[in-house]
Amino acid sequence: ETGVTQTPRHLVMGMTNKKSLKCEQHLGHNAMYWYKQSAKKPLELMFVYSLEERVENNSVPSRFSPECPNSSHLFLHLHTLQPEDSALYLCASSQSISGNTIYFGEGSWLTVV
Amino acid sequence: SQQGEEDPQALSIQEGENATMNCSYKTSINNLQWYRQNSGRGLVHLILIRSNEREKHSGRLRVTLDTSKKSSSLLITASRAADTASYFCATDLSGYSTLTFGKGTMLLVSP
Repeated sequence: ETGVTQTPRHLVMGMTNKKSLKCEQHLGHNAMYWYKQSAKKPLELMFVYSLEERVENNSVPSRFSPECPNSSHLFLHLHTLQPEDSALYLCASSQSISGNTIYFGEGSWLTVV
Repeated sequence: SQQGEEDPQALSIQEGENATMNCSYKTSINNLQWYRQNSGRGLVHLILIRSNEREKHSGRLRVTLDTSKKSSSLLITASRAADTASYFCATDLSGYSTLTFGKGTMLLVSP
């Protein structure tokens, strides 16, 4: 139990569906992250939020839309995804964005059919 | 661009043997961290070593850092089957805001 909870753990969606991934951290951290991990590829940082403000967006397609309503919650809204978007999506948090230890959730396995 | 690069990509050993994984990076760092990931799960932080430290221990883990060579190594002593996982180094680059992860070393420890 890392203090970062992700739901759902598994999601199968069609290319025309709209779904959301949810993340909640119970650590009192100020920074939250979304990472994408595909088979045989390095961990890709997608979005970074610090004190609920987006501070980094690494050229992620607009079909991925993050939302951070408060410092404890982070969402990733998904719409019109492609099969190549199938991956493990990891949420994480840290005390701040400056090189602190990052605490990861267990991930949400996404399959786009 | 990818900062940390782990070597080897995969390592297979027997229980009781030591496992050594290396990480090389390209620019100045504030600290370097090692993480472990069991198959299909989230990453778990193992150890952090600061740029002014040369060696750090935690249980059966020993991490070294050589800033002149821009490299770090993770040694797991007396390995166990439960150590089977992927291991990632992550660098905190000077002047950059977030950690940068390498591609990982997949370690298989056979009973």
